[in-house]
Amino acid sequence: DGGITQSPKYLFRKEGQNVTLSCEQNLNHDAMYWYRQDPGQGLRLIYYSQIVNDFQKGDIAEGYSVSREKKESFPLTVTSAQKNPTAFYLCASSIGTGVLAKNIQYFGAGTRLSVL
Amino acid sequence: QQQVKQSPQSLIVQKGGISIINCAYENTAFDYFPWYQQFPGKGPALLIAIRPDVSEKKEGRFTISFNKSAKQFSLHIMDSQPGDSATYFCAAYISSGSARQLTFGSGTQLTVLP
Repeated sequence: DGGITQSPKYLFRKEGQNVTLSCEQNLNHDAMYWYRQDPGQGLRLIYYSQIVNDFQKGDIAEGYSVSREKKESFPLTVTSAQKNPTAFYLCASSIGTGVLAKNIQYFGAGTRLSVL
Repeated sequence: QQQVKQSPQSLIVQKGGISIINCAYENTAFDYFPWYQQFPGKGPALLIAIRPDVSEKKEGRFTISFNKSAKQFSLHIMDSQPGDSATYFCAAYISSGSARQLTFGSGTQLTVLP
């Protein structure tokens, strides 16, 4: 899992509840990403961050929020506004996102979120 | 259009056989094409990647073939082993401003029979 730690491994959300998924990396990577994976589908980008205190929406940001207060950490909050949160959530990081940077993304082991 | 289309959805191969997974894209702005391998309950791991100015790249039993004019690329797994059973994703990078976006195919579930 290459220095990217996601926790918890399994998470259950009650109706109307916000939950936060943790992602920590010790690779000294500048860029971090959150993806959602549904069965039989590829990964879809939720949010990404190129540097501390900056982040951008991906393709499916609605119902999610993030923060990037430290280089090592990029937590994802699944809010009550996300009506279909059950999925496998993957965090990734890369050295940078610039065109000339080595920006291969490396993934954590994921968090499986289910709704009670 | 940032879509990457992957086929087949599932693939069953006998041990020792060749596994072939195909991907196609439309957007010529894609400029780097990795393949990821994912085991159940784990995150995807980079397997092999290729630039569009290279027609083939081989690493051990894994080979990417790239056809730029057809906008297609494929993963070949030679001498497939039961331990290769996993889900494989093709992907493509594109620059979006100063950022690099990664678009994934829908995945192929490979089963290698002993």
